[in-house]
Amino acid sequence: EVQLVESGGGLVQPGGSLRLSCAASGFTFSTYWMTWVRQAPGKGLECVANIKQDGSEKYYVDSVKGRFTISRDNAKNSLYLQMNSLRAEDTAVYYCARETRALSHWGQGTMVTVSS
Amino acid sequence: DVVMTQSPLSLPVTLGQPASISCRSSQSLVYSDGNTYLNWFQQRPGQSPRRLIYMVSNRDSGVPDRFTGSGSGTDFTLKISRVEAEDVGVYYCMQGTRWPWTFGQGTKVEIK
Repeated sequence: EVQLVESGGGLVQPGGSLRLSCAASGFTFSTYWMTWVRQAPGKGLECVANIKQDGSEKYYVDSVKGRFTISRDNAKNSLYLQMNSLRAEDTAVYYCARETRALSHWGQGTMVTVSS
Repeated sequence: DVVMTQSPLSLPVTLGQPASISCRSSQSLVYSDGNTYLNWFQQRPGQSPRRLIYMVSNRDSGVPDRFTGSGSGTDFTLKISRVEAEDVGVYYCMQGTRWPWTFGQGTKVEIK
């Protein structure tokens, strides 16, 4: 069974940093693109970043370019999102998802709140 | 960015009756490989999104056959043949053809 478990969310002040993790199991992690998707409270869904199987290609939505960094450790079956210079508008539940164009499986999400 | 527009945004339905959600994209979703990366997701209250349909019309494993996806180019539809209580939630279309992938605003399905 495919499982994706996010962690690392919490309350952070504007301008602060946070690192999210996603632990994958139940599939061969190293053979899939992976994606981070976020959902602001009561709002819709937004794809934030994705990363190729070997980490050689990474893509970001414009609103996070230069502030967020996606990475992965295939030996640890883990996906990461380093978030710097956080803003109030980054407040959201962050989900990791398997694949990129079709997002076949999602984790339960981790909440990030940016507030003073 | 490709804009995805869903309608209606709210859909009250009587149990056992059909429901239909429209999704239109601002650009063709046909990719250079010939595939159309249009997906449908269901988000039940308090849960993560779950994929129902991928590449326009392919139903995911475990998804009831009352869910059907169709369409082409820029115009797509998700149909529920007979709505059941467990279908309550928000439905999103999403395009995976041009980065950044974008979602529709969501359609809230509720029981009348």
